[in-house]
Amino acid sequence: DAGVTQSPTHLIKTRGQQVTLRCSPISGHKSVSWYQQVLGQGPQFIFQYYEKEERGRGNFPDRFSARQFPNYSSELNVNALLLGDSALYLCASSLRQGFTNEQFFGPGTRLTVL
Amino acid sequence: KNQVEQSPQSLIILEGKNCTLQCNYTVSPFSNLRWYKQDTGRGPVSLTIMTFSENTKSNGRYTATLDADTKQSSLHITASQLSDSASYICVVSAYTGANNLFFGTGTRLTVIP
Repeated sequence: DAGVTQSPTHLIKTRGQQVTLRCSPISGHKSVSWYQQVLGQGPQFIFQYYEKEERGRGNFPDRFSARQFPNYSSELNVNALLLGDSALYLCASSLRQGFTNEQFFGPGTRLTVL
Repeated sequence: KNQVEQSPQSLIILEGKNCTLQCNYTVSPFSNLRWYKQDTGRGPVSLTIMTFSENTKSNGRYTATLDADTKQSSLHITASQLSDSASYICVVSAYTGANNLFFGTGTRLTVIP
């Protein structure tokens, strides 16, 4: 049974560009959450989506946006990239919304902004 | 301010020894607390999850404790193995008008032979 998958694995962009990261949840999971993990720090919560609707949002600027598709996969978009956006972007899936259910993390997408 | 603080920042122990990692939080209103293990460059893997009413939970050689009154948690690792080398992250969830999750910066554990 496949776990959470993310693509691409690695990505290099330059300042000002836009990036789209993709996540496929575990089969049967309807909630997807996105996290940013800067090197040497713990992850920070960006968004949670459930049934295609945003159900939670962390303290990130409007340059960050996301959406969830009918098959429950999700995309995270970041516009006008800054050097500080360089990080490991993690996606996690769970059965339902909220954080009372166990979250299963994907391997992450390593974004480098030059 | 909602925060999760962990100590120590890093720890080196000999294989076979026990260790305890600490987590203090100020997140409110508290929903649950979980400990994750994260290998370098990989996504975190859940070890334990505890709600307000639970004060101890075990998962093999890992035992987590929670004191909701003092807002403290610990993760005890028994008979450490080389494969325990990883970052251990304390995570607290809350409903602050919307679902939210707060991560500690982690404790980097290195087990040496």
